[in-house]
Amino acid sequence: EAEVAQSPRYKITEKSQAVAFWCDPISGHATLYWYRQILGQGPELLVQFQDESVVDDSQLPKDRFSAERLKGVDSTLKIQPAELGDSAMYLCASSLDVWRDTQYFGPGTRLTVL
Amino acid sequence: KQEVTQIPAALSVPEGENLVLNCSFTDSAIYNLQWFRQDPGKGLTSLLLIQSSQREQTSGRLNASLDKSSGRSTLYIAASQPGDSATYLCAVIKGIYNQGGKLIFGQGTELSVKP
Repeated sequence: EAEVAQSPRYKITEKSQAVAFWCDPISGHATLYWYRQILGQGPELLVQFQDESVVDDSQLPKDRFSAERLKGVDSTLKIQPAELGDSAMYLCASSLDVWRDTQYFGPGTRLTVL
Repeated sequence: KQEVTQIPAALSVPEGENLVLNCSFTDSAIYNLQWFRQDPGKGLTSLLLIQSSQREQTSGRLNASLDKSSGRSTLYIAASQPGDSATYLCAVIKGIYNQGGKLIFGQGTELSVKP
């Protein structure tokens, strides 16, 4: 069964350093999402792509976060510089159809900022 | 602004018990509602998706209901098992004209089923 792949699974960094997360969606899925989940809370959408275009980044802290999906397939989320409050689980999801299909989630990247 | 609340935040039950998890939302103009399961340190697994025109969905021992007018959904788990222990998340799907469905999550209910 096809799955959403994410790497790394765990990342420990010091504040002010740069970090990057990678996501490979299920083949053929045009829509890709990045979520941030703080411990004890539900995920919150950071950015949504349709193919290579950003369709929603209203909750993305653009002063330090950036996301790209250059060829409309895999995607990278970057934080520079990392802050203590960025410690969270970063989840990637993809869907075939933005309206009717469910979102399939990857295993996530657990980020700890020291 | 749409808000999603799940009660209780945590629940511990003995094996074999039937249980109900609750989800409420403030804006009834939702497209769909979805229940997810999350194991510790893992991603989310979709359990049930209820279309806005539907009242309920069933999958095995799980049954989810939706009452849009009252802003409520429930997830019923029959004959609970230790393997059901996980966090259960409710998400409403709000339709955005040019963006598709946007998931807005509750904070989850952490379920522990004791042998």
